[in-house]
Parts: sequence; structure tokens; C-alpha cells
Amino acid sequence: EAQVTQNPRYLITVTGKKLTVTCSQNMNHEYMSWYRQDPGLGLRQIYYSMNVEVTDKGDVPEGYKVSRKEKRNFPLILESPSPNQTSLYFCASTKTGPFGELFFGEGSRLTVL
Amino acid sequence: AQSVTQLDSHVSVSEGTPVLLRCNYSSSYSPSLFWYVQHPNKGLQLLLKYTSAATLVKGINGFEAEFKKSETSFHLTKPSAHMSDAAEYFCVVRVNAGNMLTFGGGTRLMVKP
Repeated sequence: EAQVTQNPRYLITVTGKKLTVTCSQNMNHEYMSWYRQDPGLGLRQIYYSMNVEVTDKGDVPEGYKVSRKEKRNFPLILESPSPNQTSLYFCASTKTGPFGELFFGEGSRLTVL
Repeated sequence: AQSVTQLDSHVSVSEGTPVLLRCNYSSSYSPSLFWYVQHPNKGLQLLLKYTSAATLVKGINGFEAEFKKSETSFHLTKPSAHMSDAAEYFCVVRVNAGNMLTFGGGTRLMVKP
């Protein structure tokens, strides 16, 4: 089954404790991206990747890092999480570049205390 | 200035009545336009996409959207609401020549029996 898989789905952590949210897709998509969803703000893009070893900042990259060492994986790293990073995070991928149909994971709800 | 404005944060309709979800955008670029739907605790799913081939775009589950350049609008409609349409809907627009999409703040559709 074609899918985008995120882990963990739910996480409660404390300020400053490094964490990684993994994202993996099995559709051989080149383009992958991370979003955060906050009430009333829709989704805002954090980082995106056009292909392996090619990443770029989105609208709200501060406090986040990403890497794209393999085509299928695009982890989101919070080196020193802060409470304002409490949010619902989505990973997505597309076959045909940033303006093709986005396939989303089911989301990772992160709470930073 | 917000690039994508969904004019209603909540819309409530009765089952069997028409649905109208409004979206206006501002762009100095020939836009790519999308509507995505998010059911509770799920990722987003593409409903339809405007590709400049036709101004009236048909999507899944009976939804349509009309691109009106003069009004900079891309409203989503459905002739007859079903209970399963209850979800949050996002208007998504490419507003410039870059590689990013901009999401509206979302409209929560409630369908009453």
C-alpha cells in the first residue's frame, strides 16, 4: 500500500530534549516536505526537499533541522525543543514536484512542556 | 497581507443541502490552486486541483471548484452535502515563482442530519 509513515504519532517531551520525528514514503517520490498545523493558521511549511541531499527552508524553519540522505526518508529534527513548537506535524511527498498531489502522513502530535 | 484567505472558519449545513466554501487569494503569479480535505485524526487528501485547462474543476466525492481570475477566487461547492463530508477543508495556492505552497487557515464543515 502506498503510504507516508510518521513516527511517533504522539510525543510529550520537555524543553531542550532533542527529538527526531521520522518520515518514510514507499512511493519513490522525489519531493518531500514537513508542515506544522496550528489552529486558524492552516499548515505552514517548515522545510522541503526536492531530492536526495537537496533541502531548503520553508516559511517557518527556525528551531528545526532536516536531512535527506535517502530518497524514502526525511526526518525532522528538533535540536532543543521549546513550548512554541508544540504543534501537529505532517510529512508529505509528491511524485511530480512541489505542485503535484501531496500525499500526507497521519500526523505527529508533539507537546513540549 | 495574507496570501490565501478562507472567508469562513466554520460552515454548517443540513444533509442534502448545497455546500459553499469560499477561498480568495492574492498572487502576482499565475497560480496553481488546490483544495484538500482533512478528516478527524487523518492527514490531508487532495480533493481537486486547478491546472489552467478549465476554470471549472471537478474533484472527488462530487466536489467542484471554479477559478475566477477577475475575483481572485477559487470557491469549493457541492450540490448536496452528505454526513461523510464533515471535515476540515483547506484552500492551497502557489502564490509566487518559488517552490512553496501557501495554505489557507481552513474551514470546518459541519453537516447536520
